[in-house]
Amino acid sequence: DAKTTQPPSMDCAEGRAANLPCNHSTISGNEYVYWYRQIHSQGPQYIIHGLKNNETNEMASLIITEDRKSSTLILPHATLRDTAVYYCIVRVAGSNYKLTFGKGTLLTVNP
Amino acid sequence: GAVVSQHPSRVICKSGTSVKIECRSLDFQATTMFWYRQFPKQSLMLMATSNEGSKATYEQGVEKDKFLINHASLTLSTLTVTSAHPEDSSFYICSARGVEGALVYEQYFGPGTRLTVT
Repeated sequence: DAKTTQPPSMDCAEGRAANLPCNHSTISGNEYVYWYRQIHSQGPQYIIHGLKNNETNEMASLIITEDRKSSTLILPHATLRDTAVYYCIVRVAGSNYKLTFGKGTLLTVNP
Repeated sequence: GAVVSQHPSRVICKSGTSVKIECRSLDFQATTMFWYRQFPKQSLMLMATSNEGSKATYEQGVEKDKFLINHASLTLSTLTVTSAHPEDSSFYICSARGVEGALVYEQYFGPGTRLTVT
């Protein structure tokens, strides 16, 4: 699976948009980009995933660059409860759906 | 969204005893379940993958005789830590992936089980 690179930490003001970047420059054509988050001492929570088109759901938007070498997760109106570690994961289609977690980005939403 | 439960949420056991952790998918059939372990301040590490009715596939370095995984039904998987030792103390998390009708459920995670071996 392609390796991902994320900043170790980011800060965001409550009510503002949080834009979390992820670099996956070695991604292959059949690899999906997944985003999960983990609030302290809880299991990870699925956020969103995509292949090459931008995706949006009730939680967030996923913007994937045209060359697919990077992506951005957007939380449109961050709240204090969005403080968590956010993981960007690249997964090969049909790989028995295994996810390899890196170190992620600790997003701290400040009041 | 899909719900995955784990039981117990916390367990303390004595060294040398065995501990069983249950993972259930509550509103979908989990064709594949995964078990992860997370040590303090570290990321999740995949331990094993199990498909319903099949033997689990363990990741390199994970002792299959120590961490027994059973996935006997489409809604239940169990992880048994046999002859637990203090170094097995960790946060154990399961996840499930499956289908329900036309809906595909990506990996949804349980809340985790905190195991402390004394």
